Amino acid sequence: DAGITQSPRYKITETGRQVTLMCHQTWSHSYMFWYRQDLGHGLRLIYYSAAADITDKGEVPDGYVVSRSKTENFPLTLESATRSQTSVYFCASSARTGVYEQYFGPGTRLTVT
Amino acid sequence: GENVEQHPSTLSVQEGDSAVIKCTYSDSASNYFPWYKQELGKGPQLIIDIRSNVGEKKDQRIAVTLNKTAKHFSLHITETQPEDSAVYFCAATLDTGRRALTFGSGTRLQVQP
Repeated sequence: DAGITQSPRYKITETGRQVTLMCHQTWSHSYMFWYRQDLGHGLRLIYYSAAADITDKGEVPDGYVVSRSKTENFPLTLESATRSQTSVYFCASSARTGVYEQYFGPGTRLTVT
Repeated sequence: GENVEQHPSTLSVQEGDSAVIKCTYSDSASNYFPWYKQELGKGPQLIIDIRSNVGEKKDQRIAVTLNKTAKHFSLHITETQPEDSAVYFCAATLDTGRRALTFGSGTRLQVQP
């Protein structure tokens, strides 16, 4: 029972390059979320998805793109990475009904040089 | 949108003492308030949560209280142990719609043996 996984765990890239962070969950949860964690800001929502093919912006969406063609996957793409996108990225998932708890993946530490 | 403030930012206690972390929220419509524990290099882990129709909830050494009128909620840890040392985050959300969490900025708890 893998739960929610993220890959890669660590990534170093250069300014201007495209980077895709992967998120996979095995619970068939309807909701999935991407947050970024920066010192002094806690966790901030980038994008979320209520179901396959349904996505919407969060608090800090600029410079990011998401897709969700399958329920279990929710990749996050930085189309042209900037130094300000250096952060730790967390994916989370939540069931549609009944319980509302969000379960987080282990995170991806991204450094943009 | 929702805004969550968390205090203190750091807290040091002696093993066996109690620790209290406080949060306030701005959106009176929020009705779900989880607390997460984050250890170094890991994703946030849900430790306890409370809904707006409940004033207090307890799970062994951990308890959460909610005051809807004042829009604040608190985490109480009794008989602290060194393994309680971590960063704790409070969060708030409405359990309909996008259901994305708004997080506080975190409290670093250090339990001195």
